[in-house]
This record gives sequence, structure tokens and C-alpha cells, in this order.
Amino acid sequence: DTAVSQTPKYLVTQMGNDKSIKCEQNLGHDTMYWYKQDSKKFLKIMFSYNNKELIINETVPNRFSPKSPDKAHLNLHINSLELGDSAVYFCASSFMNTEAFFGQGTRLTVV
Amino acid sequence: SQQGEEDPQALSIQEGENATMNCSYKTSINNLQWYRQNSGRGLVHLILIRSNEREKHSGRLRVTLDTSKKSSSLLITASRAADTASYFCATDPDNNAGNMLTFGGGTRLMVKP
Repeated sequence: DTAVSQTPKYLVTQMGNDKSIKCEQNLGHDTMYWYKQDSKKFLKIMFSYNNKELIINETVPNRFSPKSPDKAHLNLHINSLELGDSAVYFCASSFMNTEAFFGQGTRLTVV
Repeated sequence: SQQGEEDPQALSIQEGENATMNCSYKTSINNLQWYRQNSGRGLVHLILIRSNEREKHSGRLRVTLDTSKKSSSLLITASRAADTASYFCATDPDNNAGNMLTFGGGTRLMVKP
């Protein structure tokens, strides 16, 4: 019955690798998001996607790319991982910009 | 700097006291939302206030919005140890740039039993 689920919960990988984080929502929402939370707990919006339009935060490196196979999924692909990519990544969904439901987060550690 | 910035960054109070957190933002908004995050967990929505509303209540929560000052406050009354968490404000900018719900840095609240 999980509303927004993301996998994996933990991801440890070496610099230079390519990895993906999956996200699925079963709420029928029209908008999905990816956020990055750094060690100081600051939440940074990375992408917003509503099956018509992808909004990209211009500060996000192009090594990061969202992929949406359908309305219920928004996966995050990261190429050439760097140490600074270590963070907790949250997927979320909502109807437009009303109440957002968050996944439990994926803790990415790049070594 | 960020669209939503909370103040204070950290707050420590005794159980039973009230906790007030503030949020300032920079652009016009459609709505402002408050979220809670327990350690190691995802964010949970608490309350949404629209730009044409000035005050909203939900249980022990009271939110105010002053669009002229571009600020909001979250008041938790009669705090409990279980209220210990980080609290974030998020804004839906009214800038026709699409859906970008943007969060501030959060206030870490500790309620001591």
C-alpha cells in the first residue's frame, strides 16, 4: 500500500560508475519530483515532471537525467558518479503543486 | 539564495511549551506548505495555505501567511517529545515556470521531555 516507493534504500558505489534509482507512485498523481538532501539537510529540487513537461533545475549537472516510462514512474539516472553526489535522494509526487507525498529516500554513498 | 528559508535553524524547548518557526520566501506564490521530517525518513505534509488565506489551523498546528512580507509562521502548541523533527516550508511559485515545489533549509526542533 506504499504511496511512493523508491529503490534501493541504500546505494554504495565507486566514483565513475553509472547508477539508477527507481521511483513509483500509486496515487494517480500527475506530477513527480526528485530532490537531493545534503548532509546539512537542505532539500534541493532537481526535477519536476508532469507527463507533459520536464522542468529541470538549471544547477543540476547533466550527468543526472530523469526517465519516465509512464505516469506512475520517474527514475533517476546518474552517470559518472562523483564524491559530491553522495546524499539522500527523495522522490515525491503530487497533483500539480499541492500536497506532495515523499518516498523514504535513497542514501547514495560514492566512494 | 533559496526560495524558502526557515528561521531559526534549530529550536530546543521543553515539552508543553509552544514552538514557533518562521519561513521567508522571495517570489509570489500560489501556496505555501509545511512539512515534517523525522530522522532518516521522508517528508510528511502537515498543512497547505493558499496565497489568499491568512491563517489556517490543523489540530495543534497554526499557520499564518503574510504575502506582503513574504513570510509564514508555523506554531505548534503544547509540544510533545514526539514533535521532535525537522520542519520545512515549501513554496509553489507563481511564476509560470512549471511545477517546482521548492523547499527551504528547515528548522530542527527538539522537544525535551
